Amino acid sequence: EAGVTQSPTHLIKTRGQQATLRCSPISGHTSVYWYQQALGLGLQFLLWYDEGEERNRGNFPPRFSGRQFPNYSSELNVNALELEDSALYLCASSLGPYQPQHFGDGTRLSIL
Amino acid sequence: DQQVKQNSPSLSVQEGRISILNCDYTNSMFDYFLWYKKYPAEGPTFLISISSIKDKNEDGRFTVFLNKSAKHLSLHIVPSQPGDSAVYFCAATSYSGAGSYQLTFGKGTKLSVIP
Repeated sequence: EAGVTQSPTHLIKTRGQQATLRCSPISGHTSVYWYQQALGLGLQFLLWYDEGEERNRGNFPPRFSGRQFPNYSSELNVNALELEDSALYLCASSLGPYQPQHFGDGTRLSIL
Repeated sequence: DQQVKQNSPSLSVQEGRISILNCDYTNSMFDYFLWYKKYPAEGPTFLISISSIKDKNEDGRFTVFLNKSAKHLSLHIVPSQPGDSAVYFCAATSYSGAGSYQLTFGKGTKLSVIP
């Protein structure tokens, strides 16, 4: 069974640009979650998508957005990039609430 | 407001001995708890979980204990092996209908198992 895959592995952008990160969940998983792990911090919940709908979002500004496609893959978009957006962005998928989330290896976003 | 706390940033244990990782939480609505392990340059890997209706769950060398009255859970690894050296994250969740579910993570404890 293929795990959660994320692309790209690394992404380098400059301030003010836009970044798009992609995630393919485990086959059969309908829920996709996005997390940010900044240096020295734990995993901060960003977004939860289920069945194509945004179900919940964490305490992040609206320039963090995303979507889930009919095949349950997902995109995370970050607009007007700021230096503090530099972090590891992790995607996870699960069968639903109260089911363990399985993580990809992340996208390292660096803002110059 | 940190709802899930792992107060020990690091822990060193001799190979073969028991590793005990601790986690405290403040939100009494949490009712499902998980432990994840993370190696450098990899995503977290699910280890073990426990529902609030239980006080213990075992899976091989890993046992999670939950003390609801103290709002405390712990992960025991017996015996510890060098390959267990990683960062361990405690996570907790509650669910009260669509739109109210999220996993809250602690900041992690770095375990080093010394051969």
